[in-house]
Amino acid sequence: DAKTTQPPSMDCAEGRAANLPCNHSTISGNEYVYWYRQIHSQGPQYIIHGLKNNETNEMASLIITEDRKSSTLILPHATLRDTAVYYCIVRVVTNAGNMLTFGGGTRLMVKP
Amino acid sequence: DVKVTQSSRYLVKRTGEKVFLECVQDMDHENMFWYRQDPGLGLRLIYFSYDVKMKEKGDIPEGYSVSREKKERFSLILESASTNQTSMYLCASRPPAGHTEAFFGQGTRLTVV
Repeated sequence: DAKTTQPPSMDCAEGRAANLPCNHSTISGNEYVYWYRQIHSQGPQYIIHGLKNNETNEMASLIITEDRKSSTLILPHATLRDTAVYYCIVRVVTNAGNMLTFGGGTRLMVKP
Repeated sequence: DVKVTQSSRYLVKRTGEKVFLECVQDMDHENMFWYRQDPGLGLRLIYFSYDVKMKEKGDIPEGYSVSREKKERFSLILESASTNQTSMYLCASRPPAGHTEAFFGQGTRLTVV
């Protein structure tokens, strides 16, 4: 299974862009990169996913390097409500179906 | 909106008790998952199910079993609860096809004393 490596914590000033890195050097060609976040006392929430092209939605942008060994989640204008643990995961496909394997995540603290 | 509902938000059980954690989803999803979350360890997959009566072990299945008798309900069972099973338990569901998001419940914080 492909694994991901993320820094355990990061700080970001409110209103600034938050750039969260993720390494997934053993990713396979057909595996997607997914990002979820978990706000305190809630279940994880989907943010975005991508294969090799950069992706953007109303929540964030995802930049994947050309060799696909790393990616960066960008929150363009972080707010206090973006304080959460952010998980970068790689979609694992088994014979029985698809499951999500989570790593340790990055705890993002947005400060006023 | 998809809703994944876990039966209890907080639970306290005694060592040796049989514990049932229930999860219900209302979007007819085939795939359902049970995770536990512990400080410093992130989310770890216990079991998942891709259809009624079907189940697969995740990364840490020891000490747990599951039941999927109906599509909307996925139960996690601790046959004989132990203190090292004190944790936050999260249930999730998703459709099988395509690259779709998983929806998580609010979690059950289980304390085994």
